[in-house]
Amino acid sequence: DARVTQTPRHKVTEMGQEVTMRCQPILGHNTVFWYRQTMMQGLELLAYFRNRAPLDDSGMPKDRFSAEMPDATLATLKIQPSEPRDSAVYFCASAPETSSYEQYFGPGTRLTVT
Amino acid sequence: QKEVEQDPGPLSVPEGAIVSLNCTYSNSAFQYFMWYRQYSRKGPELLMYTYSSGNKEDGRFTAQVDKSSKYISLFIRDSQPSDSATYLCAMSEWAGGSYIPTFGRGTSLIVHP
Repeated sequence: DARVTQTPRHKVTEMGQEVTMRCQPILGHNTVFWYRQTMMQGLELLAYFRNRAPLDDSGMPKDRFSAEMPDATLATLKIQPSEPRDSAVYFCASAPETSSYEQYFGPGTRLTVT
Repeated sequence: QKEVEQDPGPLSVPEGAIVSLNCTYSNSAFQYFMWYRQYSRKGPELLMYTYSSGNKEDGRFTAQVDKSSKYISLFIRDSQPSDSATYLCAMSEWAGGSYIPTFGRGTSLIVHP
């Protein structure tokens, strides 16, 4: 059945290293969202795309985070350099064009920065 | 005050009980109201969505929206241990070319046999 996939599922890295997370949205979904979830803040929206174009990335720390959609089947979220406060679970979600409120989440990437 | 308020719980009930989960909000621009279920170490799973005020039923689940009171509820009938999870409410408004959700912090539900 159709689902959002994310890689890697787990990532442990040292402070200062670059981290790249990947997401494959559901085929036919043209809206993609990136979220971060922590115990303290809950689920926070970082950025979102429609038809591969970034619509808003105001939720991201601009100096270290970047999000792109190289093609319709791949979205990436990059952190460079990573910091311990970036430790969280990062989720990607996709939605169809006609109902972007109907979001389907991937399994998440659990990031630990030491 | 946060835009969406949700009691974190935990809410512990016996199997078979009727569960009521609730959220309040302050933004009148919200149009769609969603409930997600999240099992431990999994991604949120969309359970139901409703548009504007009213009720929507799907099996053992009923979503209720009262826009005049800015209050939404999710009822679970005949609760099962497999319903034990965190339930997140979310509300969407149209902004910047898409519906943008604001999530509650989630309510942890424990259904014990």
